[in-house]
Amino acid sequence: NAGVTQTPKFRVLKTGQSMTLLCAQDMNHEYMYWYRQDPGMGLRLIHYSVGEGTTAKGEVPDGYNVSRLKKQNFLLGLESAAPSQTSVYFCASFYYGYTFGSGTRLTVV
Amino acid sequence: AQSVTQLDSQVPVFEEAPVELRCNYSSSVSVYLFWYVQYPNQGLQLLLKYLSGSTLVKGINGFEAEFNKSQTSFHLRKPSVHISDTAEYFCAVSLHSGNTPLVFGKGTRLSVIA
Repeated sequence: NAGVTQTPKFRVLKTGQSMTLLCAQDMNHEYMYWYRQDPGMGLRLIHYSVGEGTTAKGEVPDGYNVSRLKKQNFLLGLESAAPSQTSVYFCASFYYGYTFGSGTRLTVV
Repeated sequence: AQSVTQLDSQVPVFEEAPVELRCNYSSSVSVYLFWYVQYPNQGLQLLLKYLSGSTLVKGINGFEAEFNKSQTSFHLRKPSVHISDTAEYFCAVSLHSGNTPLVFGKGTRLSVIA
């Protein structure tokens, strides 16, 4: 099925651990975005990409890195996880409309 | 840069009553406007969007919204709510180029009371 797939769906990390969240889309979209959702804060943009090999910072980029080595994949990395990064992470892609993934719930303890 | 303000963080309403969720935006250029709904522990679902044309936009589940350029508003309405409408609702804006990142409001939690 065409769409945006996020893996994993759930993860618990210890402070200081690292991990990578994967966003994959099979719609050949150029534009991809990573958001985080926190209670009472809505969704805030972390990083985005306007095409393969490009990335740009969003509103809350600190503590995260991203890569877009292949057009279909947009990776979000946490090098040293902190409790403040406990959140629900959403990926989206765009082509005449935004398509969202189902989210990754990350808890950092 | 554009911004979105959702004026109410929580809206309780009785079943079968009408509801309005308010959204104001700020932008120096033309924008596209969106409403998304998020049911508990689920992802985002597009309710409706305004791109151009008629300022009254109809969406899914009986919702509609009206774009008011002079008041920079895009309020969401439903004439009669159901228990199943209990969810969080997000207003969002993007620039007219369309491929710019969506900017979201902080959300309004609609609670429908039986």
